[in-house]
Amino acid sequence: AQSVTQLDSQVPVFEEAPVELRCNYSSSVSVYLFWYVQYPNQGLQLLLKYLSGSTLVKGINGFEAEFNKSQTSFHLRKPSVHISDTAEYFCATRQETSGSRLTFGEGTQLTVNP
Amino acid sequence: KAGVTQTPRYLIKTRGQQVTLSCSPISGHRSVSWYQQTPGQGLQFLFEYFSETQRNKGNFPGRFSGRQFSNSRSEMNVSTLELGDSALYLCASSLEPEDTDTQYFGPGTRLTVL
Repeated sequence: AQSVTQLDSQVPVFEEAPVELRCNYSSSVSVYLFWYVQYPNQGLQLLLKYLSGSTLVKGINGFEAEFNKSQTSFHLRKPSVHISDTAEYFCATRQETSGSRLTFGEGTQLTVNP
Repeated sequence: KAGVTQTPRYLIKTRGQQVTLSCSPISGHRSVSWYQQTPGQGLQFLFEYFSETQRNKGNFPGRFSGRQFSNSRSEMNVSTLELGDSALYLCASSLEPEDTDTQYFGPGTRLTVL
């Protein structure tokens, strides 16, 4: 069975500061990894995904994530955040044999303060 | 292209009633997945359909059911509603097999059970 743990439920930061949202996964087989963002009263939007290849993945809105197989982590980073980045962020995994089924972490609320 | 649409956006029901939610995927997408989002349990997978066939089912009671039509539109039904069924129900579609790992989520249907 696979699981995803997001290590911080809330992350407050000031505008223009760097941020890292942490995600660890566990799986007995190879997985694909994702970060999604959810703005208030909206659905989820894909930020980036790791399927294979380069372990540093760049996504939309200036976000990037690094896949670390030895530490089973997939942390999300942004060098300088904006007020508009305030949202909930979800880490997710998918197994190759599980169709489109995603397993999500508990979510991290990122709040960017002026 | 229009995004994933879900109807209705908001729904209020009472215990014991049943409800049907609808999801129209992006044109050309044949894979549709459903998720339940609650503050306590987070995002949990309900089921997934591909070309009118249920391919995966999450760990939900039989009161939760779904189907997919030939035009890829999907419905989910919850019978004998319980207070705990109050949640945001999200559906997602993807262009499979060409791009399984880019899933597009709808805005969700917020169900309140009184």
